[in-house]
Amino acid sequence: EIVLTQSPAIVSLSPGERATLSCRASQSVSSYLAWYQQKPGQAPRLLIYDASNRATGIPARFSGSGSGTDFTLTIRSLDVEDFAVYYCQQRSNWPITFGQGTRLEIK
Amino acid sequence: QLQLQESGPGLVKPSETLSLTCSVSGGSINTRSYFWGWIRQPPGKGLEWIGTLYYSGSTYYNPSLKSRATIPIDTSKNQFSLKLSSVTAADTAVYYCARQWLGGAGFDPWGRGTLVIVSS
Repeated sequence: EIVLTQSPAIVSLSPGERATLSCRASQSVSSYLAWYQQKPGQAPRLLIYDASNRATGIPARFSGSGSGTDFTLTIRSLDVEDFAVYYCQQRSNWPITFGQGTRLEIK
Repeated sequence: QLQLQESGPGLVKPSETLSLTCSVSGGSINTRSYFWGWIRQPPGKGLEWIGTLYYSGSTYYNPSLKSRATIPIDTSKNQFSLKLSSVTAADTAVYYCARQWLGGAGFDPWGRGTLVIVSS
């Protein structure tokens, strides 16, 4: 099983700042990595698929990068609506696995 | 616009079988283009993949569930289901169904989720 480790677990930033979230895989997942945003009481929302492609309707301030084992989700100029929990997910190998999440909170 | 909706009992007794249905509207599940999946989230915790179904009936399951999960498909009703046997309190979670992309990584869209509590 591929383990995804997200860091940091919690990050505190202010609106307008830049957020950089990390996801590291225990072995290569090529580019088969997705990022999700989840707000309280809501289902996760797909932000980025295949490491660097924005899903439909996702603002341009969200970007993904990386391949192999190291991936980054960057949110340029945080909006108040961006404060949520973020998960990465791989489907390079079965079983599909998720990272444990990074909570992005308002400073 | 594709939409998914989970339904089923919100309370299940320990040792019994949890049964949920995912109804799909705005598109057919009988397609070669996508997988269909179940994911769960215990209260206050992260996401756990349960299993994935292909229209042909092929399935993939999380081995952590120790063969307790099955995902049958009903193309006539445009639905797929989750059956999880021998449940315990550890199976208490919000259960989501979602469309899974075939060629890459991503579940989209998701249903709103349904909370299932395992308790006597």
